[in-house]
Amino acid sequence: EAQVTQNPRYLITVTGKKLTVTCSQNMNHEYMSWYRQDPGLGLRQIYYSMNVEVTDKGDVPEGYKVSRKEKRNFPLILESPSPNQTSLYFCASSLGGLAGPSSYNEQFFGPGTRLTVL
Amino acid sequence: GESVGLHLPTLSVQEGDNSIINCAYSNSASDYFIWYKQESGKGPQFIIDIRSNMDKRQGQRVTVLLNKTVKHLSLQIAATQPGDSAVYFCAENRFTTSGTYKYIFGTGTRLKVLA
Repeated sequence: EAQVTQNPRYLITVTGKKLTVTCSQNMNHEYMSWYRQDPGLGLRQIYYSMNVEVTDKGDVPEGYKVSRKEKRNFPLILESPSPNQTSLYFCASSLGGLAGPSSYNEQFFGPGTRLTVL
Repeated sequence: GESVGLHLPTLSVQEGDNSIINCAYSNSASDYFIWYKQESGKGPQFIIDIRSNMDKRQGQRVTVLLNKTVKHLSLQIAATQPGDSAVYFCAENRFTTSGTYKYIFGTGTRLKVLA
């Protein structure tokens, strides 16, 4: 089944304790992205990756790191989490190739990770 | 399920009526727009997209209208059904100076379908 998986789905942690949220897709997609979703603010892009070893900042990258060592995985790293990073996080992927048909640009979202930083 | 927003504008529509959800975007250089649907406890799901060289695009029961003059996007849902109850987001695509592209999402509208 074609899907985007995220782990963990729920996490409660404390300030300063490094954590990683994994994201994996099995659709051979080139474009991958991380978003956070907060009440009243919609989804905001944290980081994105056009392909392996190509990553770029979205609108809210502060306090986050990512890596794209292989096509299927795009982990989100919080080196020193703070309470303002408490949020609902989504990973998404798409084929890429913005000039292509809709199917190239359709982003498939994971189920979300609810993170609470105390 | 996960809460997707406590302070969203809400559109209440009678089952069977048509729904119109509106969105304003900010960047006149954006040339690609998408509508997403998010049901409670799930990630957003692609509905329909439109490029800036078009004014209108139709899908199954959905139509997206683009007015570039006033930077406005709308999603029309025909014969709204209970399963359409969800939060709807518009998103615009923006190219960056480095040649990559990113997505800017709107804050969302909650659609409630009344039986």
